[in-house]
Amino acid sequence: EIVMTQSPATLSVSPGERATLSCRASQSVSSNLAWYQQKPGQAPRLLIYGASTRATGIPARFSGSGSGTEFTLTISSLQSEDFAVYYCQQYNNWWTFGQGTKVEIK
Amino acid sequence: QVQLVQSGAEVKKPGASVKVSCKASGYTFTSYGISWVRQAPGQGLEWMGWISAYNGNTNYAQKLQGRVTMTTDTSTSTAYMELRSLRSDDTAVYYCARVRSIAVYDAFDIWGQGTMVTVSS
Repeated sequence: EIVMTQSPATLSVSPGERATLSCRASQSVSSNLAWYQQKPGQAPRLLIYGASTRATGIPARFSGSGSGTEFTLTISSLQSEDFAVYYCQQYNNWWTFGQGTKVEIK
Repeated sequence: QVQLVQSGAEVKKPGASVKVSCKASGYTFTSYGISWVRQAPGQGLEWMGWISAYNGNTNYAQKLQGRVTMTTDTSTSTAYMELRSLRSDDTAVYYCARVRSIAVYDAFDIWGQGTMVTVSS
């Protein structure tokens, strides 16, 4: 099983600042990496797939990068609605999720 | 619009079984796969398994092998997930999610609203 490790567990950021979230795979997943956002009481929402392609309707302030084992999600200027938990997911060999990064208001 | 609508909350006793449904609309059901994901209270997301709505092929997470069965009814565009021999640590919100493309491996672009399953004596 491919293990996904996210860091940090919690990220405290002020509105308007940049947030950088990391995700590492235990073996190469090529570009088969997705990012999801989840708010309390809601289902996850797809943000990024193919490591860097924004899903339909996702604002341009969300960007993804990386390949192989190291990936990054960047939120360029945090808006109030962006405070949430973010998960990475590999789909190179079935599916596994990271443990999540909570982005909270500083 | 494209959506997945799940059945309502369930309360079960340890050792019982639960069957959650996921009704698809707004797209051709047999052109995509469905995965099931669960989330224990305050915890992260756990992938449970996948079923092809095209041919019924399945793959289950190793830790659930032997206790979970995923099926589809193409006549009603509905996917089902049955979990048997329930334990307290099966208490979670269960989500169905559509696999984004016809490829087996892809991201999950549409999610159901979730079904809370509580296992308690």
